[in-house]
This record gives sequence, C-alpha cells and structure tokens, in this order.
Amino acid sequence: AQSVAQPEDQVNVAEGNPLTVKCTYSVSGNPYLFWYVQYPNRGLQFLLKYITGDNLVKGSYGFEAEFNKSQTSFHLKKPSALVSDSALYFCAVRRSNDYKLSFGAGTTVTVRA
Amino acid sequence: NAGVMQNPRHLVRRRGQEARLRCSPMKGHSHVYWYRQLPEEGLKFMVYLQKENIIDESGMPKERFSAEFPKEGPSILRIQQVVRGDSAAYFCASSPEATKTEAFFGQGTRLTVV
Repeated sequence: AQSVAQPEDQVNVAEGNPLTVKCTYSVSGNPYLFWYVQYPNRGLQFLLKYITGDNLVKGSYGFEAEFNKSQTSFHLKKPSALVSDSALYFCAVRRSNDYKLSFGAGTTVTVRA
Repeated sequence: NAGVMQNPRHLVRRRGQEARLRCSPMKGHSHVYWYRQLPEEGLKFMVYLQKENIIDESGMPKERFSAEFPKEGPSILRIQQVVRGDSAAYFCASSPEATKTEAFFGQGTRLTVV
C-alpha cells in the first residue's frame, strides 16, 4: 500500500516570504515523488519530481523540493513567494515500477500582497 | 504540442442519466489514466488503459462505470444511471510510458448530478 499525507489544509504567507508545503509519504520500495499544482478552474500542472539522485530537486516557477528518506518527506519550497503562487498543491507518490499515483488531499496556498 | 484535452469541462446530468467524459491524450502518448477527485479529497486512481486495452481497472466501481480507449479517437469514461454521489471532478492523464515518466493531466471534467 502507498499513501501521502499533507498535514496542512491551508498555508498562508506574505509575498516575498519563504513558502513551504509539507508532504510525507508511505510506500514499499523506492518512491517516485511528484508535486502538482492546480490553479482555479484549471487542470493539474506538473511542478517537479524526485526519481533518484540528488535529494534537492528543482522544478518550474522557482519551486524546489527536498527528498528526505529517513523522515519519508518531500516538502515543497520556494524562497520568495508570489501572489500568483496562490493555488492548490498536491503531493503524489508511486513505486518506481508502478504507474498508479497516490495523492495527498492537497494544501491550499494563499500568498497575500 | 497540445496538452491532454478533456471535454466537456462541465457536465450536468439528472439522476438516472448517462455521463460520457472524453479525453484526448497528448500526442505520442499511448497510456491513459483516469482519476476522480471528490470534494475535500485528493485524486483517486480509477483506471489505466492503453490503446484498445484496459490494463488496470481496480479503482473503478464495479457497476455503472466503464472506460475505453479505442484504436481511433479519444478515451471515454462512461457512467450509466448517475447518482448524486458521482458528482466529482474527473481527471484524465497521459504518459508516453507507464513507469519511467511523469503523467500529464488534463483540465478535468466537473460532473454535477442533480
């Protein structure tokens, strides 16, 4: 079985401040980890992924995520948030040899001007 | 290269009617996945298809739901005799390969059963 937990339903930050969206996972074997973002009335957009290699992964729009195997976490970060980053963020996991993604419930990010 | 295209974006059906949701994968992608997003929940896997074949339908309800991906044309998710509990956003994703790449998602179809 595999699962993802996003412990925060909402994250509120001021523009220009650092943004962190938390994600922990449970999966047997090697995990493939993903972050997707959903803007209002739009589909999910792929942000970044961890497959193997460097634990710090850089993605689109200045986002990055750090894979921590001992803590089974894959937190999404952005050093300086923008108002346009306000959206719903989903963390997802699957096994390396599988196709089926398991998603967290999502975290709504609000960046205030 | 157009992304994953889903239509309609919004669909309203009365209880007992049929809902047909369409998904055209990205060009060059032969793997299609359907996910359902219920209110306040993350996306849940429903079914995985390749051209003309259902590979895994373990997440799909046994009754009233079916999916196909014909040789020509889009993938179709069909829900017969809809009930209020079917109201959700249905997302389609595609990928060029099943396990080595990320999946790309469409904009979703929001189904409302009245």
